[in-house]
Amino acid sequence: NAGVTQTPKFRVLKTGQSMTLLCAQDMNHEYMYWYRQDPGMGLRLIHYSVGEGTTAKGEVPDGYNVSRLKKQNFLLGLESAAPSQTSVYFCASTRQGYQPQHFGDGTRLSIL
Amino acid sequence: DAKTTQPNSMESNEEEPVHLPCNHSTISGTDYIHWYRQLPSQGPEYVIHGLTSNVNNRMASLAIAEDRKSSTLILHRATLRDAAVYYCILRGYSGSARQLTFGSGTQLTVLP
Repeated sequence: NAGVTQTPKFRVLKTGQSMTLLCAQDMNHEYMYWYRQDPGMGLRLIHYSVGEGTTAKGEVPDGYNVSRLKKQNFLLGLESAAPSQTSVYFCASTRQGYQPQHFGDGTRLSIL
Repeated sequence: DAKTTQPNSMESNEEEPVHLPCNHSTISGTDYIHWYRQLPSQGPEYVIHGLTSNVNNRMASLAIAEDRKSSTLILHRATLRDAAVYYCILRGYSGSARQLTFGSGTQLTVLP
């Protein structure tokens, strides 16, 4: 099984550009999460979803939007990229909220 | 979620046991203690979790103090592949998403 797959793995954007990060999981998990990790820090939750068609804000949601149109996919959008959004973005999923989360390998995003 | 305190860094020799401490003096009765690790350039990986009793799995053991105000992750024979940042996370049962709240973790260096 592929588990949690994130695309792209790397991306460089200019300030003001928009883009979408894709997270796909093949484990039929209900819950999906988007985190960001800045250098030397732990992960911080951006948005999450408790099922198809649902989304909710996490700790640092400003400047991001998400969609969960299909159960297996969770998309993270940057509407107008800013240098402060330079980070590594991780997606995670889990079957139920209390169970261990499975993470992807991350998307490294640089905004110039 | 209650906070945890971990040392910033630890060193171990290869093939020796490693004890990674975590303090969580404000833990509530329903908080589970979770451990994740993050290898370089990868997403976090679930290691183990427990509530009150000591737990063992193929990766590690978790020793929980009787008063639950501290816990220790034990790697029985450290290998070079165990070099990673280890996160101790408290996870309560309140809230539907039960997202993970990461601190800065302990950077484990394994010396050959």
